[in-house]
Amino acid sequence: AQKVTQAQTEISVVEKEDVTLDCVYETRDTTYYLFWYKQPPSGELVFLIRRNSFDEQNEISGRYSWNFQKSTSSFNFTITASQVVDSAVYFCALSEHAAGNKLTFGGGTRVLVKP
Amino acid sequence: EAQVTQNPRYLITVTGKKLTVTCSQNMNHEYMSWYRQDPGLGLRQIYYSMNVEVTDKGDVPEGYKVSRKEKRNFPLILESPSPNQTSLYFCASSFRPGPRSYYEQYFGPGTRLTVT
Repeated sequence: AQKVTQAQTEISVVEKEDVTLDCVYETRDTTYYLFWYKQPPSGELVFLIRRNSFDEQNEISGRYSWNFQKSTSSFNFTITASQVVDSAVYFCALSEHAAGNKLTFGGGTRVLVKP
Repeated sequence: EAQVTQNPRYLITVTGKKLTVTCSQNMNHEYMSWYRQDPGLGLRQIYYSMNVEVTDKGDVPEGYKVSRKEKRNFPLILESPSPNQTSLYFCASSFRPGPRSYYEQYFGPGTRLTVT
């Protein structure tokens, strides 16, 4: 069965600090996909990134970066030089190829960026 | 504009009063799902549908019904709502870009339901 764990329930930082969100997953499938979503206070889900299990290349997009390590089953997300607009709940999610369109989400990490 | 719409966006109701949350997508996607979001638990799948008249249970189906009579619509029905169904509900539609690909997911804006 697939499982996603986000051990950090809430992180509070001061603006311009870096913040790293941890995500650990469990799956028996050899082909799977990992996602990060952002949920701002307005409530909608905003897709941030997707990674395939066969692509461990890490990625940087502006102030966001992602570190995918299959050896530790982790898919961590870092916000560099955080801004108040980064305040949101962030969800890590997993989709197994064999499980069809089902997404399994972690519990979410609330990030509060103080000015 | 490609989108998933949900109605209503907010609903306060009483225990036992049947309600339906509608979901509609305009992208001709075959796959649709319902999720509920609860604090600390993330989103959990309630039901999903692979096509018209094809539905199946997700992880937390108790107390819910769905139907898929048309490709674009996937309503969520609570026959007898209870307070433990107070939650934020998301509808999603998805498609697979390739035969061995992931599913591209599109989420609706969410429906906040309170059952008193």
